[in-house]
Amino acid sequence: EPEVTQTPSHQVTQMGQEVILRCVPISNHLYFYWYRQILGQKVEFLVSFYNNEISEKSEIFDDQFSVERPDGSNFTLKIRSTKLEDSAMYFCASRLIGGDKSPLHFGNGTRLTVT
Amino acid sequence: EDQVTQSPEALRLQEGESSSLNCSYTVSGLRGLFWYRQDPGKGPEFLFTLYSAGEEKEKERLKATLTKKESFLHITAPKPEDSATYLCAVEGLGNEKLTFGTGTRLTIIP
Repeated sequence: EPEVTQTPSHQVTQMGQEVILRCVPISNHLYFYWYRQILGQKVEFLVSFYNNEISEKSEIFDDQFSVERPDGSNFTLKIRSTKLEDSAMYFCASRLIGGDKSPLHFGNGTRLTVT
Repeated sequence: EDQVTQSPEALRLQEGESSSLNCSYTVSGLRGLFWYRQDPGKGPEFLFTLYSAGEEKEKERLKATLTKKESFLHITAPKPEDSATYLCAVEGLGNEKLTFGTGTRLTIIP
């Protein structure tokens, strides 16, 4: 069964450094998402992306964050200058179409640790 | 703002002991209510989508139901491999995001 794949599984970085988290969504999916989960807390929406542009973003997704689909298969999340509070699991998700007929499928996440 | 509350936070059952997990929600127009299973260190794994009150869906030992204010995930004769955190999420009309609850951590004791 097709799945969303994320790399790396674990990333350790120093405060102030830039990180890029990578995702390969399911191949025929058209909508892409990033969510994050701070340890012990809820899964939180960051951003949705469709047709090569952001369709919705949360308050968390400030100017330090950006997303890109550099080619036909990858979807990336960049954090320009990491902070301690960015430490979390970051999940990529994709869905075939928007709306209520298509569930989100999640990857297994990248654990980001900012020291 | 969409809100999701799940109860209980944690539930321990003996193998074969059936029970239900609750998800209460508020949303300005429900597009869909989703149930996911999450194992430690993994991403949410899709289980069900429910769209309208009265709808029910089943998969193996799991059955999800939906009313206008809440959803239940019924687990019948659970096995140890059903141990996981079960997440409920809603998507409202006119937006492209899921709002998750904090989940119910289910432990099935052999």
